[in-house]
Amino acid sequence: DAGVTQSPTHLIKTRGQQVTLRCSPKSGHDTVSWYQQALGQGPQFIFQYYEEEERQRGNFPDRFSGHQFPNYSSELNVNALLLGDSALYLCASSPIGAPIQHFGPGTRLTVT
Amino acid sequence: EDQVTQSPEALRLQEGESSSLNCSYTVSGLRGLFWYRQDPGKGPEFLFTLYSAGEEKEKERLKATLTKKESFLHITAPKPEDSATYLCAVQAGGSTGANSKLTFGKGITLSVRP
Repeated sequence: DAGVTQSPTHLIKTRGQQVTLRCSPKSGHDTVSWYQQALGQGPQFIFQYYEEEERQRGNFPDRFSGHQFPNYSSELNVNALLLGDSALYLCASSPIGAPIQHFGPGTRLTVT
Repeated sequence: EDQVTQSPEALRLQEGESSSLNCSYTVSGLRGLFWYRQDPGKGPEFLFTLYSAGEEKEKERLKATLTKKESFLHITAPKPEDSATYLCAVQAGGSTGANSKLTFGKGITLSVRP
């Protein structure tokens, strides 16, 4: 039973560019949440998707957007990258109604 | 606004030296308090969920406890392989949905020397 998977593992982008990160939830999970973790900090909630709709959003600008597909996989898009967007981006999944969120290995984004 | 504060920021122990990690929280209507373990460059790994004051859970050398204001992660006779960052998070109940966001603390970096 595969856990949460994320791609790519690492990514290097230049300021002003756009990036797309991908997440496949654990089998049987239909809710996907995205978190940003800066170095030395705890993860910060970006948004959550369920039934292909954004259900909750944290304190992140509109440059951060997402999508969920019918197979429950999800994408995180970041436009107009800033140096401060450099972080580990984590995807977490859970079945709706279950509180425990299971995390993927993350995508390390470096903006130069 | 939900808040989580973890202390100390870092902890160095000798193998076999037991200790406790603290997580203080404020949340409007606690649905659950979570402990995760995170190894460098990896995603958080779920350890425990606690739902109400007085609840305790154990797994190998780890024991988590919960009061109305804080949680402790007790580590008994730690081994070098217990070295990691331990994250505490809270989830509030509410009408926004059954899978509310997690609010994390900054984590506690534990190093266990052989």
